[in-house]
Amino acid sequence: DGGITQSPKYLFRKEGQNVTLSCEQNLNHDAMYWYRQDPGQGLRLIYYSQIVNDFQKGDIAEGYSVSREKKESFPLTVTSAQKNPTAFYLCASSYTGGAGANVLTFGAGSRLTVL
Amino acid sequence: GQQLNQSPQSMFIQEGEDVSMNCTSSSIFNTWLWYKQDPGEGPVLLIALYKAGELTSNGRLTAQFGITRKDSFLNISASIPSDVGIYFCAGQLGTGNQFYFGTGTSLTVIP
Repeated sequence: DGGITQSPKYLFRKEGQNVTLSCEQNLNHDAMYWYRQDPGQGLRLIYYSQIVNDFQKGDIAEGYSVSREKKESFPLTVTSAQKNPTAFYLCASSYTGGAGANVLTFGAGSRLTVL
Repeated sequence: GQQLNQSPQSMFIQEGEDVSMNCTSSSIFNTWLWYKQDPGEGPVLLIALYKAGELTSNGRLTAQFGITRKDSFLNISASIPSDVGIYFCAGQLGTGNQFYFGTGTSLTVIP
């Protein structure tokens, strides 16, 4: 079955450490996105990429970095510069043309806790 | 970023009751989406709307794309316990643009 796989599901980090969250999709989608979700808030866009080797900052990119070396993969690194990294992170993907460009498909999420 | 105002923030209803929630924006959107999220999981698409005035159903769910293109509504009829979760609206300004999300409506269904 096609879908988006995020790993790990749960991750614990000590302050000052960088961590990388994995996101892989086999939907042949061109665009991929990373969102952050905090309790009582909507999803906020961290980074997005519409094509391999290109990505743009979203509304809350500070303290995060991404890469898009393959169409299927869009890993997110939470760096030590992110002041409040404890959150639920969601990866999503979509087509960039036609009707499918107007719909996001989400992974199951990764919960990061900083100790 | 764009602000989507979603209301109500939470709802507690009896099983069998109907539910209504809405989302408003100061901007005109070309697409409105409604998602449901279970605890600890990713959002799942319920309904997608692409034209002003469009009314679309998915089982007991009905959603409408507002005429002004600045709002959207989701109705759930005859609620059941498995309807429990958080419902999000999302809007897109244009194809290829980013999506903006509401703050969510938490629904609790009392058997």
